[in-house]
Amino acid sequence: DIVMTQSPDSLAVSLGERATINCKSSQSVLYSSNNKNLLAWYQQKPGQPPKLLIYWASTRESGVPVRFSGSGSGTDFTLTISNLQAEDVAVYYCQQYYNTPHSFGQGTKLEIK
Amino acid sequence: QIQLVQSGAEVKKPGASVKVSCKASGYTFTSYGITWVRQAPGQGLEWMGWISTYNGDTKYVQKVQGRVTMTTDTPTSTVYMELRSLRSDDTAVYFCARDRFFGTGGLGYWGQGTLVTVSS
Repeated sequence: DIVMTQSPDSLAVSLGERATINCKSSQSVLYSSNNKNLLAWYQQKPGQPPKLLIYWASTRESGVPVRFSGSGSGTDFTLTISNLQAEDVAVYYCQQYYNTPHSFGQGTKLEIK
Repeated sequence: QIQLVQSGAEVKKPGASVKVSCKASGYTFTSYGITWVRQAPGQGLEWMGWISTYNGDTKYVQKVQGRVTMTTDTPTSTVYMELRSLRSDDTAVYFCARDRFFGTGGLGYWGQGTLVTVSS
């Protein structure tokens, strides 16, 4: 099974600043047939289901603000939130969908400093 | 619009079984599989398994293999997740979800979640 490890577990960032969350997979999730990394990022607020932010590691889901961006390839990935807004307070998860089980990272709790 | 609507909260005793439903609407049911994800109180997301609504093929995480069965009912556009021999650590919110679009991956549509509480 692929193990997904996020860092840090939590972070506090000032409004308007940049938040960076890292995700590392125990093996590559780059799918050679289409050269896509099979990795997604989600945002979850209390009492709500997760919301898809990014798929294919760097493609923003429709309606997601441009301040959210994903990068990385192979085994190392990053979610960057620029110009942090109050509504971005949430827990963020990465997920690989290269192999079943489609494992999630443990989550990163983002707060306002 | 695309919707996944789940059944209501359940309270079960240890050793019992629970069956959670997920009714899909707003798209061709058999075109997308359904994934089940659970979340224990205050914990992270755990991928439980996936079922093809086209032919019923399933994939389960080893942790619940042997205790879980996912089934699909095309006439009602409903997927079911049954978990047997419940334990206290099965207490969680159970979500069903669907890929955002065929071939892209990423769970773009989610049910509202069903809280299953296992307690004596």
